[in-house]
Amino acid sequence: DAGVIQSPRHEVTEMGQEVTLRCKPISGHNSLFWYRQTMMRGLELLIYFNNNVPIDDSGMPEDRFSAKMPNASFSTLKIQPSEPRDSAVYFCASSLNEGVYNEQFFGPGTRLTVL
Amino acid sequence: KQEVTQIPAALSVPEGENLVLNCSFTDSAIYNLQWFRQDPGKGLTSLLLIQSSQREQTSGRLNASLDKSSGRSTLYIAASQPGDSATYLCAVRDNYGQNFVFGPGTRLSVLP
Repeated sequence: DAGVIQSPRHEVTEMGQEVTLRCKPISGHNSLFWYRQTMMRGLELLIYFNNNVPIDDSGMPEDRFSAKMPNASFSTLKIQPSEPRDSAVYFCASSLNEGVYNEQFFGPGTRLTVL
Repeated sequence: KQEVTQIPAALSVPEGENLVLNCSFTDSAIYNLQWFRQDPGKGLTSLLLIQSSQREQTSGRLNASLDKSSGRSTLYIAASQPGDSATYLCAVRDNYGQNFVFGPGTRLSVLP
C-alpha cells in the first residue's frame, strides 16, 4: 500500500486566496483525521471522519476552514480566505476503526505558507 | 480536557546508551496510547500502540509501557543509534471518541 497520500506537498499563496488540501487515505481504512502542526501549538486535531461522516469538528479554528469527504478514498480541507496565521504543516491520517485495532497512519503533510 | 506532557523536551546522548522518554496524561480514561516518531520536515511514523488493558508493547529495540492509573507511559530505547535521532511524540485516545491528543514531543539527538 502507498500509505496516506497528500497533495500538494508544499503550497505558497497570498493572503485572501482559497487553499485546498487533498488527502487519500489508506485503502480499507474507515476513519480519517486532519491535523495542523505549528511550533507554537504543536499537533492539533482539526476534524475527523468516520465512514465519510464528520464526527467531531470542534478543532476547526474558524468558519474559514471546511472539510469534506465525498467518498472513502478522498478528503479535502479548504481554507477560504487564507490568512498568514494559517501557515503550518497540515497532516492527514487514517485508521481502521474496528474493535481495538485503530492505529493511526500519517501522510507526509502539506506545508502551507500564506504571505 | 485531556492534557499530555512529555519530559524531557530535548535529550542528547552518546551512541549506545539506553534511554527513557516520558509521557504523562491528566485523564486516565483513555482507550489507547500511541508513540510516534517524526523526522525533521517529515510526517509521523507509528512506533507502538498500547491498548488501555495492556501494560507494555515491544518492537525491536523499543519498549513502551503504560500505567493508566497514574497517567504515565514510557518509551524505552535500547542501545541507541544515531539513526534514532528524531522527535518522539505520544498521543492518547480518550474513551469518548477517536480524539487523539498529542504531547509536545521529545527531541532526541544520538551522537556518534
